[in-house]
Amino acid sequence: DAKTTQPPSMDCAEGRAANLPCNHSTISGNEYVYWYRQIHSQGPQYIIHGLKNNETNEMASLIITEDRKSSTLILPHATLRDTAVYYCIVRAGGGSNYKLTFGKGTLLTVNP
Amino acid sequence: GAGVSQSPRYKVAKRGQDVALRCDPISGHVSLFWYQQALGQGPEFLTYFQNEAQLDKSGLPSDRFFAERPEGSVSTLKIQRTQQEDSAVYLCASSYRGGLVAFFGQGTRLTVV
Repeated sequence: DAKTTQPPSMDCAEGRAANLPCNHSTISGNEYVYWYRQIHSQGPQYIIHGLKNNETNEMASLIITEDRKSSTLILPHATLRDTAVYYCIVRAGGGSNYKLTFGKGTLLTVNP
Repeated sequence: GAGVSQSPRYKVAKRGQDVALRCDPISGHVSLFWYQQALGQGPEFLTYFQNEAQLDKSGLPSDRFFAERPEGSVSTLKIQRTQQEDSAVYLCASSYRGGLVAFFGQGTRLTVV
C-alpha cells in the first residue's frame, strides 16, 4: 500500500471548517483513500473513503486532487467532539487487501 | 448488539500470567481482525479471520500470541506468559466482507506489571 504523510497536529475553532491534508504521492490506480478517526480511549471510527471523485457523507467531505497525489478531509462545522486523531490510509480494493496500515495520523484539537 | 464488543475493557496482568481477550463482532460480519496499539502509535495489524479460518497471522509478534474463532463469530486473543512489552490496547474489528470498511470495538487495555 502507498505511504501517506499527514501533519502531526492541527487546531481548529469550534464552528469553523476543519481541513485535514494528506499526501499520498505514490498512490496507484487501484488504491482508495480512506479516513478513520480515533477519539481518546475509543477504537478507530470509519469516516469516508474515495477513489478519484470527491465524496460527501453526513460526517465529512473528501476532496481528492486530480492527480490523486493528495487529498483533504473537510469537517464543515467542527465541534468539540471532533477532537481526535485522524488517520489517512491508502489501500487497494479487492478481498485480498484487508489490512489497514495506520500511520501516526493528525491530532485535531477543536478549541471553544 | 449494535457494534463490536470487547471484554474486558481493562486488564492488569502480572508478568508471566496468561490472558484471554474476547471480541464479539457485529452479527453477520464474516471478517474479523485484531490490531495492537502501543501508546502514542497507530494500530498495527495482528491477524485476520474469514469466518472460522485464520487466513493471516503475519502480525502476531511471537508464538506467545494465539487467536481463535472456532464458530466463526466470537474470537479470543490469547497471550501466554505475558511480558511488559505486551502492554498495549488490543483492538478488534469486523466487516461484512473483505474488510473494505471495518468497524472497531473500544479495545482492551492490557497492562503487564
